Amino acid sequence: EAQVTQNPRYLITVTGKKLTVTCSQNMNHEYMSWYRQDPGLGLRQIYYSMNVEVTDKGDVPEGYKVSRKEKRNFPLILESPSPNQTSLYFCASSLTGFNEKLFFGSGTQLSVL
Amino acid sequence: SQKIEQNSEALNIQEGKTATLTCNYTNYSPAYLQWYRQDPGRGPVFLLLIRENEKEKRKERLKVTFDTTLKQSLFHITASQPADSATYLCALERTYSGYSTLTFGKGTMLLVSP
Repeated sequence: EAQVTQNPRYLITVTGKKLTVTCSQNMNHEYMSWYRQDPGLGLRQIYYSMNVEVTDKGDVPEGYKVSRKEKRNFPLILESPSPNQTSLYFCASSLTGFNEKLFFGSGTQLSVL
Repeated sequence: SQKIEQNSEALNIQEGKTATLTCNYTNYSPAYLQWYRQDPGRGPVFLLLIRENEKEKRKERLKVTFDTTLKQSLFHITASQPADSATYLCALERTYSGYSTLTFGKGTMLLVSP
């Protein structure tokens, strides 16, 4: 089944403890992206990657890192999480990123205490 | 600055009626626009894509219009059903340094009552 898989689904952590949220797609998509969703603010893009050679910042990249070492995986790294990063996170992918629909993962609810 | 505006108030309609949702934008010149459905706690699901040279697109009970002069898209659900209750997001193409990515509006919640 074609899908975008995120893990974990729920994560509770403490301030400053490094964490990684994994994202994997099995559709051979070139484009992948991370969004965070907060009440009243909607979906905001953190980082995106056009392919394994190109990764760029979205609207809210501060405090996050990403890695695109292979086409199928696009992990989101929080090196020193803070409470303002408590949010619902979504990974998404599309075939090329141009004129294409996005496939979203199920989301990761992160709470930073 | 670039803005995407969707009605923040929930739209309440009766089953069987047509729901119309609005997406207005400023300072964008998107080559295409997309609409997504999102249920609580779940990832958005793609519904329709319309290109700048298309005035209208249909898919079953869904219809999208795209007016690049008014900088507006309208999303219609005809013969609405309670199962159509969800939040609907519009998304616009935005270009960064020659690359294309999608930016989302905040969404409008639709509530269809029996």
